[in-house]
Amino acid sequence: GQSLEQPSEVTAVEGAIVQINCTYQTSGFYGLSWYQQHDGGAPTFLSYNALDGLEETGRFSSFLSRSDSYGYLLLQELQMKDSASYFCAVRGGTGGFKTIFGAGTRLFVKA
Amino acid sequence: GAVVSQHPSWVICKSGTSVKIECRSLDFQATTMFWYRQFPKQSLMLMATSNEGSKATYEQGVEKDKFLINHASLTLSTLTVTSAHPEDSSFYICSARERETGNEQFFGPGTRLTVL
Repeated sequence: GQSLEQPSEVTAVEGAIVQINCTYQTSGFYGLSWYQQHDGGAPTFLSYNALDGLEETGRFSSFLSRSDSYGYLLLQELQMKDSASYFCAVRGGTGGFKTIFGAGTRLFVKA
Repeated sequence: GAVVSQHPSWVICKSGTSVKIECRSLDFQATTMFWYRQFPKQSLMLMATSNEGSKATYEQGVEKDKFLINHASLTLSTLTVTSAHPEDSSFYICSARERETGNEQFFGPGTRLTVL
């Protein structure tokens, strides 16, 4: 089966850097994704890592270590609008057709 | 970017009735669509994966006779909650992937179902 673990809550101040970790267990690993979801809204895609290393997209970066079954999302220059839930999701299973989401990390950005 | 719509955005129904939720990919062909349910402040729980023209694959614990999924075309999937009960009240979200190798899932805005 597939399972993921990530912290339930993180609090940081505006302008700071925050890292949200995710560890996973899966059969047939294809990649690790990150999604952002504001209250009442739908998840939006942030990043996807299939290979080891760091992927950077603007203020957000995502890292993957397949040997450690571990990844993280790094948010820089935090803004109030970054307050949201962040989900890591692992794509796996036979053929890589299944994507399972972690429980989510609620990020609170304070002024 | 790719857009996925859901209809209705919210629905209130009486216990015992059936409700159909539509999920459409507006500007791309979705070979795979996913249905999730989400309780307040909780994660998205995958209910089923549907591929166009074939039967949906349900996750363990999801009743396939209760949650009927049809993926009749490359742009439309439907979820029918049959004989709805109050415990079925939830936020149902669909997502679509463009190709088997596509890495990004595009999510619909979700449907809030309340069963009285």
